[in-house]
Amino acid sequence: NAGVMQNPRHLVRRRGQEARLRCSPMKGHSHVYWYRQLPEEGLKFMVYLQKENIIDESGMPKERFSAEFPKEGPSILRIQQVVRGDSAAYFCASSPAAGLTEAFFGQGTRLTVV
Amino acid sequence: DAKTTQPPSMDCAEGRAANLPCNHSTISGNEYVYWYRQIHSQGPQYIIHGLKNNETNEMASLIITEDRKSSTLILPHATLRDTAVYYCIVRSVEAAGNKLTFGGGTRVLVKP
Repeated sequence: NAGVMQNPRHLVRRRGQEARLRCSPMKGHSHVYWYRQLPEEGLKFMVYLQKENIIDESGMPKERFSAEFPKEGPSILRIQQVVRGDSAAYFCASSPAAGLTEAFFGQGTRLTVV
Repeated sequence: DAKTTQPPSMDCAEGRAANLPCNHSTISGNEYVYWYRQIHSQGPQYIIHGLKNNETNEMASLIITEDRKSSTLILPHATLRDTAVYYCIVRSVEAAGNKLTFGGGTRVLVKP
C-alpha cells in the first residue's frame, strides 16, 4: 500500500508564475489536508478537503491560494502569481475518515520562488 | 484545541530511554493527546495517542498523568534515527477531520 504521494518533490517558480502541487492520498483515504512549513518555522494547517468538498479552509491565505480534491485524481494546491514569501515546504496528509484517526503525511513539495 | 507546552530541545544518549514531557494544563475531558515527529526534511510521522490511560505501541509509550494536565512520551531505546522534532498535540473528539495544530515541538538530538 503506497503512502501519500506528493509531486513534484521540488518546484522552482519565478515570481508571478503559478505553482501546482499534487497530492495522491493513500488508497481508501477520502480526507486530505494541506500544511505549509515556512523555513525554520512550524507546520501550519491550510485546508481540509473531502472528495469534491472543502471542509475547512481557515488556514488558507485569502488571495492567490486555492485547493481542490476532485472525484477522480489527486488533490491540487494551486498558488497563483507566486511571491518569494511563498517559498516553503508544503505537506499533504490523508486519513481514512474524519475524527480521531491518525494522519499519514507525504514527503512534501519544496517550493522555491526566485 | 488546548495549547501545549514543550521544552524547545533536549539531548539523549543512544541506547537510553528518552522522556519527552508535554504540558496541557487546559485540556478538557473530550480531548486526546497525540504525538507526531518530523525527521529532518521529511513529512511528520504519527507516533501514538491517548485519552487518559497509558498507551504503548512498537514505537513508544505514552504516560498521561491522572489529572491529564501533562504527559510524557517515552522512546525506550533511542537510536540515532530518532533524532527529530517531536510534537505534542491535543485534539478534541469533536474536531472536524484530522486537522492538527502544531506548536514548536521539542528538538531531540540523540547522541552516540
